[in-house]
Amino acid sequence: EVQLVQSGAEVKKPGESLKISCKGSGYSFANYRIGWVRQMPGKGLEWMAIIYPDDSDTTYSPSFQGQVTISADKSISTAYLQWASLKASDTAMYYCARHVGSGTTTHFDHWGQGTLVTVSS
Amino acid sequence: QSVLTQPPSASGTPGQRVTISCSGSSSNIGNSYVYWYQQLPGTAPKLLIYRNNQRPPGVPDRFSGSKSGTSASLAISGLRAEDEADYYCAAWADSLSGVVFGGGTKLTVL
Repeated sequence: EVQLVQSGAEVKKPGESLKISCKGSGYSFANYRIGWVRQMPGKGLEWMAIIYPDDSDTTYSPSFQGQVTISADKSISTAYLQWASLKASDTAMYYCARHVGSGTTTHFDHWGQGTLVTVSS
Repeated sequence: QSVLTQPPSASGTPGQRVTISCSGSSSNIGNSYVYWYQQLPGTAPKLLIYRNNQRPPGVPDRFSGSKSGTSASLAISGLRAEDEADYYCAAWADSLSGVVFGGGTKLTVL
C-alpha cells in the first residue's frame, strides 16, 4: 500500500527556519516525483514545487521560487520542504503528494496527511 | 485568484444530480487532461477523476467527469450526505511547467 507520512505540526516565530518531511513507503520512492501543495487557512490548493528523488531534479512554481527549498533523500525515502526565514503569511497546511505522469498527464494519486505550520510572534 | 475558475459553492438534496464547472484557457485545460480532487472536511485531498473522465479504483461510478474545449465539469449523481466536501479541478499549465488548481467548490448536501 502506497503511503506518504508527513512530520507533525509546527509552531514557529517569524524569522525562524523550518524543515518538514514526507516519508514514502509501499512503492519505489526514487522513481516517482513528489509534489508539495499549500493550503492557506480557509483557502484552496496551490501547487508549489516538485522533485524527482532519483536525481533531485526540481521544478518550482514561480510563486514559490526563492521562497522555499525542496529536497529529497532517496536512501531513506523522504522528501523535504524548508524555509530559511518564516513569515506569518507562511501559516498554512502543507501537503506532499506522489506525482504521476508527465506534462498534461500530471496528477497526484496519493497524498500525505498534511503538516500544519503556524508562524506567529 | 486561482487560474481555473470554479463556483465557490454548490448544493443538492440526497438523490439529486449536481454538477460543478471548471473554466480555464487554451494554456491549461485546453491543452491538458483535467483532474478532480475531493477534500472531505479536515482531511487531505483525494484523487477523484483523472484524464478527464477516468475513476481510480474505489471511486463510485456516481462520480463522472467531462471536458469540452477550455471547460470541464464534475457530475455527482445519487447525491449522498457523505459527498459533502470541497472539490477542486486541476490541469497542467505549460507556462508554469506545473499544475494549476481551481479555487474549489464547497458542496453542501441539504
